[in-house]
Amino acid sequence: LAKTTQPISMDSYEGQEVNITCSHNNIATNDYITWYQQFPSQGPRFIIQGYKTKVTNEVASLFIPADRKSSTLSLPRVSLSDTAVYYCLRTGANNLFFGTGTRLTVIP
Amino acid sequence: GAVVSQHPSRVICKSGTSVKIECRSLDFQATTMFWYRQFPKQSLMLMATSNEGSKATYEQGVEKDKFLINHASLTLSTLTVTSAHPEDSSFYICSARVRGGLSEQYFGPGTRLTVT
Repeated sequence: LAKTTQPISMDSYEGQEVNITCSHNNIATNDYITWYQQFPSQGPRFIIQGYKTKVTNEVASLFIPADRKSSTLSLPRVSLSDTAVYYCLRTGANNLFFGTGTRLTVIP
Repeated sequence: GAVVSQHPSRVICKSGTSVKIECRSLDFQATTMFWYRQFPKQSLMLMATSNEGSKATYEQGVEKDKFLINHASLTLSTLTVTSAHPEDSSFYICSARVRGGLSEQYFGPGTRLTVT
C-alpha cells in the first residue's frame, strides 16, 4: 500500500521559518505534489503545487528533489494564524494519496 | 475564483434515515469531483471519485449502496448516506478538479454529519 507520511506534529515560534517534509517513496512519474492547510472543521485550503525542483508563491515554497521521493513545504515566517494541520497530497491521473498530516503549532 | 460550496454545513439525523449532501462548484466547471471522509484527528480518506455523467468509482472498503453518489452536471455532485448509523458520523468533504486542469483540487468547507 503506497504511503505518504509526514511528521505528526511540529512547534515553532512566531517569525521563524518552518519546513515540513512529506515522504512519498512510491511516487509515480505523472504524480504531482500539492500541499494544503486545514483548520478545524473546515475544508483544506490550497497552498502550493509542484512536480519537481522548486516552486515559490506569495505564501510558501515547495522543494522537490530530483528523485521526487519526498517534498518539503517551507513557510518563510510563520505567525500565530498559521497554526493548523498541513497535508501533502500525491495525485496523478489514476491515484490520489493524502499524507498523514502535520499539526503545526506556532508559539508566541 | 475556484470556489466549492457544500450544503448543509452540518446535519443531525436519526439512525436509519438517509441524508443528502450537495457539492457545487460555483464559478467553474468540474468534470471530476471527489468525496472524502475525515474522522477526528485523522487525515482525509478518499471515498469515491465522481465523473460527470458516469458512475462513481468507489475506493476499496466503501459501500457503494450505502454511499450513493450522483454527478448529474458539471457543477453539482451529491452524496447520499443511506440508512445512516452512528458510525457514519463524520466530517464529509468534497473537492472538484477544474475542467481541463492539471491535478489541483479545490475543496468544499465540509459537512459535519452526526447520526443519533
